[in-house]
This record gives sequence, structure tokens and C-alpha cells, in this order.
Amino acid sequence: GAVVSQHPSWVICKSGTSVKIECRSLDFQATTMFWYRQFPKQSLMLMATSNEGSKATYEQGVEKDKFLINHASLTLSTLTVTSAHPEDSSFYICSARDSPEAFFGQGTRLTVV
Amino acid sequence: SQQGEEDPQALSIQEGENATMNCSYKTSINNLQWYRQNSGRGLVHLILIRSNEREKHSGRLRVTLDTSKKSSSLLITASRAADTASYFCAPGTGGFKTIFGAGTRLFVKA
Repeated sequence: GAVVSQHPSWVICKSGTSVKIECRSLDFQATTMFWYRQFPKQSLMLMATSNEGSKATYEQGVEKDKFLINHASLTLSTLTVTSAHPEDSSFYICSARDSPEAFFGQGTRLTVV
Repeated sequence: SQQGEEDPQALSIQEGENATMNCSYKTSINNLQWYRQNSGRGLVHLILIRSNEREKHSGRLRVTLDTSKKSSSLLITASRAADTASYFCAPGTGGFKTIFGAGTRLFVKA
């Protein structure tokens, strides 16, 4: 299957700082990528849909000013957690669609201290 | 897009046994996909079954789809400890979003 690479795989940051997570589709072009968040022992919650060259579409309850998404090319989408707080600590996963299948990155474990 | 509901929530079996998990959904679909997630990792795509298919095999995996009952099942035969993971179904309705249910947590005891 297609490969989606996510970087970094884990990151620890201080409260109040911003963290950027990258999601790349390595062997296909993805006009649409998705960002999910997962708390321990829970399912994946869709945060936003990232569209190349246009603004992201956020799910209800997700703060767009806190979670900045940039999809600058057909192979790269980034999620920036701004002014991170301990409650933002979570597992973030991206996916890219090579229709009709969706492929997922390995995830990024964010810990805010 | 719509969300699938997996059942059971948790399943514990011995190595070598078969594991069966089910997925139900509410409206008509174009396809249904199954994913696996090992603890602390991203999701791995296992298999896609289209709405006009009733059964599909991939290695030790067998997926069935019953569109009249709006349900699907995933069977893992001769399970191994390495199959221990969470399994999610994702009904596809043509929309792009993949929405996940709570999943089935499978534990295979060696």
C-alpha cells in the first residue's frame, strides 16, 4: 500500500510553545489529508480535513486558531499546535487518501510539560 | 461519511484460535474497510470490501459483508500473539472522511 510518513514520532515541549507535525505522502499525491487525535484507549477523533491550496475544514469543537493546518503541496500537510498546554498532550495521526483507500502515518506522541 | 460500530469492545483468545469481530453501520455504503492499530502506532489498512462483494480473503483474514443487515465481520484465523491490536471498521459512502468507532481490542494470549 501507499506510504504516509509522519514526523516527528514523538515530541516533548514546554507549555506555551508551539509544535509542528509533518505528514507526507511518499509515493502518491494527496489533494486531501486528514488529522486525527487519539486519547489513551479511545478511538480516533477526526479534527480536520486538509485540502491542498485551500483552507482546512475543521470538525465541530476543534479550535482552528489552536490547531493550524497548512497543506502547501500535494504531498505535505502540517499541523501546528499553538501555545500548547498539558491538555493538548495526545497522539496525533494523519492520513492521506489514495481513493478509495486511506493510509495513515505512524502517529506523533505529543507531551506538553 | 458515517461511523461504524464494532462489536465486541474487547476480545481475549488463545493463540491458534480464531477471532471474529463485527461491524454495524446505518446507511448504504460504497465500500467498507478494516484497519488495525497496534498500541501507540498509526493505523494499518487491512482490507477493503466493496458493496457488491459478499466475501473477501487476504492471508489469514476473511471479511464478509451483508448489506441487507448493514453489517460486516472480520475473521482472523489461527491467531498469533502479534495480532494483538485494536481493530476498526470504516464504512465508506463516497465522502472523503473516515470516521471511526470505538474499535475492538483483541488480545491474543501466547
